[in-house]
Amino acid sequence: GEDVEQSLFLSVREGDSSVINCTYTDSSSTYLYWYKQEPGAGLQLLTYIFSNMDMKQDQRLTVLLNKKDKHLSLRIADTQTGDSAIYFCASEGTYKYIFGTGTRLKVLA
Amino acid sequence: NAGVTQTPKFQVLKTGQSMTLQCAQDMNHEYMSWYRQDPGMGLRLIHYSVGAGITDQGEVPNGYNVSRSTTEDFPLRLLSAAPSQTSVYFCASSYSDPADYGYTFGSGTRLTVV
Repeated sequence: GEDVEQSLFLSVREGDSSVINCTYTDSSSTYLYWYKQEPGAGLQLLTYIFSNMDMKQDQRLTVLLNKKDKHLSLRIADTQTGDSAIYFCASEGTYKYIFGTGTRLKVLA
Repeated sequence: NAGVTQTPKFQVLKTGQSMTLQCAQDMNHEYMSWYRQDPGMGLRLIHYSVGAGITDQGEVPNGYNVSRSTTEDFPLRLLSAAPSQTSVYFCASSYSDPADYGYTFGSGTRLTVV
């Protein structure tokens, strides 16, 4: 069945770049999404990429898409303590939309 | 705009009790969904609605009922609460298919069933 997989934890130092990875199985997604969840809050749409693009840059965020390998990544440049959160990737699935398990990013001062 | 409003924020139920989690959105979104979030399992879709009067089951619908009598409201009913329903519940809405538009999420309801 469809699946979206992410590693559970990532720890980086403040000022370094963070790279959060995601693999998915459904190749029919028109868009792929990244959401951010801060403690005690709901998910917030962070960015997205159209499936016919390889890369999208949005200020400190860079999304890379490798359709052949079904691999999506989110790079956060100059990571700040305010970037500490759980990051979810999402793609289309049988139930319209499926989320990965989320990657908890911890930024060390 | 308030966006997606969920109430209550916290709730403790005894096994066998029933309750309704409320969700309202003021963005005139057609598509609304309920997810539950459990540690290590991401978000799983419980029920969704593509418009007023239309609902359908998601991945984990057992033990939950929904209705969509208006565009704005999408309540989730737990008929007879069980400890396995202890979770954080999120309501989300989208202008249309979230695969094309993404979701706006509520802030969640943390439910504990004892």
